[in-house]
Amino acid sequence: GDSVTQMEGPVTLSEEAFLTINCTYTATGYPSLFWYVQYPGEGLQLLLKATKADDKGSNKGFEATYRKETTSFHLEKGSVQVSDSAVYFCALSVSFGNEKLTFGTGTRLTIIP
Amino acid sequence: SAVISQKPSRDICQRGTSLTIQCQVDSQVTMMFWYRQQPGQSLTLIATANQGSEATYESGFVIDKFPISRPNLTFSTLTVSNMSPEDSSIYLCSATGLSQREQYFGPGTRLTVT
Repeated sequence: GDSVTQMEGPVTLSEEAFLTINCTYTATGYPSLFWYVQYPGEGLQLLLKATKADDKGSNKGFEATYRKETTSFHLEKGSVQVSDSAVYFCALSVSFGNEKLTFGTGTRLTIIP
Repeated sequence: SAVISQKPSRDICQRGTSLTIQCQVDSQVTMMFWYRQQPGQSLTLIATANQGSEATYESGFVIDKFPISRPNLTFSTLTVSNMSPEDSSIYLCSATGLSQREQYFGPGTRLTVT
């Protein structure tokens, strides 16, 4: 079945450090890929997405590129801030018309000033 | 984008009782879903809420335990029946917009069963 494997956390970085959170997937067909973020005490928010191979999703300084050859969608940010502290979820959706999401386990990110 | 509200935001319930969670979307959407997020874990899909017909449940979830209604395009309810402490979770409603392959999530309902 479809699955998402995500880098285990927690991850702790200093402010302005470079961030990578790894995500790989297994899916039948051609999935769309997503990163969601959950800030402390808040609901889930879509951070970025990519719907086909080689697409790059970007938002708030975060980027992720859909790599079909490596079945990956790694999340990156060049310089993290304390406000980026949150839990990040990688997810996929395979069926256009029934967009149920399969989530990774989530990675808790803490940024230290 | 769609704005999704859920009621209640949290509740503490006794074992053996039932709780109905409401989900309201501010615009017409195509798909609506219910997810569960157990403490410290990822999200697991419970079911797809179908308008005017029975929900489609994922493996491990059954209608008797989690009855779902969706009477129109913008509203759905999830009932957690005959609750046990293992049902303590955050329950999230989500919806897919009319033209985009992305889901919007409600703020969640934090349920504690004692």
